[in-house]
Amino acid sequence: DAGITQSPRHKVTETGTPVTLRCHQTENHRYMYWYRQDPGHGLRLIHYSYGVKDTDKGEVSDGYSVSRSKTEDFLLTLESATSSQTSVYFCAISELGSTGTGELFFGEGSRLTVL
Amino acid sequence: DAKTTQPPSMDCAEGRAANLPCNHSTISGNEYVYWYRQIHSQGPQYIIHGLKNNETNEMASLIITEDRKSSTLILPHATLRDTAVYYCIVRDTGNQFYFGTGTSLTVIP
Repeated sequence: DAGITQSPRHKVTETGTPVTLRCHQTENHRYMYWYRQDPGHGLRLIHYSYGVKDTDKGEVSDGYSVSRSKTEDFLLTLESATSSQTSVYFCAISELGSTGTGELFFGEGSRLTVL
Repeated sequence: DAKTTQPPSMDCAEGRAANLPCNHSTISGNEYVYWYRQIHSQGPQYIIHGLKNNETNEMASLIITEDRKSSTLILPHATLRDTAVYYCIVRDTGNQFYFGTGTSLTVIP
């Protein structure tokens, strides 16, 4: 299994508070992603990174920011959490090139509840 | 928005082949098709991927139409452990993966 760790795995917070989810990888993969999963919506891409300090928005980026200061860590921040951001968040990594198929490897998910 | 369309659910008898269709009519020439599955609330797991040619591995086969506008994932001998949500995904040139809502496959004993 790919070395991907998400923290925290479970968090309950209140509306208006800041929240940061961390994704840590030991695979030295270039690409990292944050998805959220909600009933009826499948997985939706929030933000992704294609290198240190290189990030871009996905399809549901409003209310979220990300940072990647080093290859192994990709942080997802909710500046002021809202109840609509209650979800399961998945981090994923991938690599391209002659040694990689480009497939995604997923973390175990972080369940966030905003009251 | 997701670039793929899949039926929301399918059933398959245990031991029979499961054929899961996917439409990706807007796919570009250098975009790959990937298939993943998700069991319960675990992270999705890679199954197979392809560009133009049909592909086979130890888990499944992927059949891509000649015009590349659709594909079919084939699980040759479905087992109860294949009950899961299956996602067909297009990986775009920016290496972004868009998942959609997938097909919930139920394998029936």
